[in-house]
Amino acid sequence: EIVLTQSPGTLSLSPGERATLSCRASQSVRSNYLAWYQQKPGQAPRVIIYDASSRATGIPDRFSGSGSGTDFTLTISRLEPEDFAVYYCQQYGSSWTFGQGTKVEIK
Amino acid sequence: QVHLVESGGGLVKPGGSLRLSCAASGFSFSDYYMTWIRQAPGKGLECVSYISQSGSPIYCADSVKGRFTISRDNAKNSLFLQLNSLRPEDTAVYYCARWNAGADYWGQGTLVTVSS
Repeated sequence: EIVLTQSPGTLSLSPGERATLSCRASQSVRSNYLAWYQQKPGQAPRVIIYDASSRATGIPDRFSGSGSGTDFTLTISRLEPEDFAVYYCQQYGSSWTFGQGTKVEIK
Repeated sequence: QVHLVESGGGLVKPGGSLRLSCAASGFSFSDYYMTWIRQAPGKGLECVSYISQSGSPIYCADSVKGRFTISRDNAKNSLFLQLNSLRPEDTAVYYCARWNAGADYWGQGTLVTVSS
């Protein structure tokens, strides 16, 4: 099983700042099959990025994904108030596993 | 418009069983993998199982192998999850989702509580 470790656990930032979230895999993710999700309280998750760097439909371009192999990054270039949420990475190259999540909170 | 509606959750005693259903609409159900993902209270996401268009199952979580069974009925646009031998640690919101290089549409979830 591929274990995904997300860091930091919590990120405290102000609106307008840049957010950088990390997801590290215990072994290489086949074909960079990695997705990022956003979840707000009381809601189902929403896919943000798939295949490591492709934005899902309707996702604003301030969200970008990068990385390959075992190290992946989600970047939010300028935080909007609606971006404060929990973010999860998921690999789907070998069975499917999720990271434990990073909470992006208002500073 | 894609719509997924789960049902069948509830309170069950340890060792009991439940059958979750997910009714899909607004897309060609038989063209997509489908998945069940759960979230324990205050915890993160965990893939439970997913199923191919033709019905081949994969169980992501070792803890559910041999106890849970995923299935689908393409004629009725429905996804199912049979939960047997339930344990307190199975307590979670169970989401069904459509798989399209990422889980791109999710239901609202159904709560399963395993407690005596």
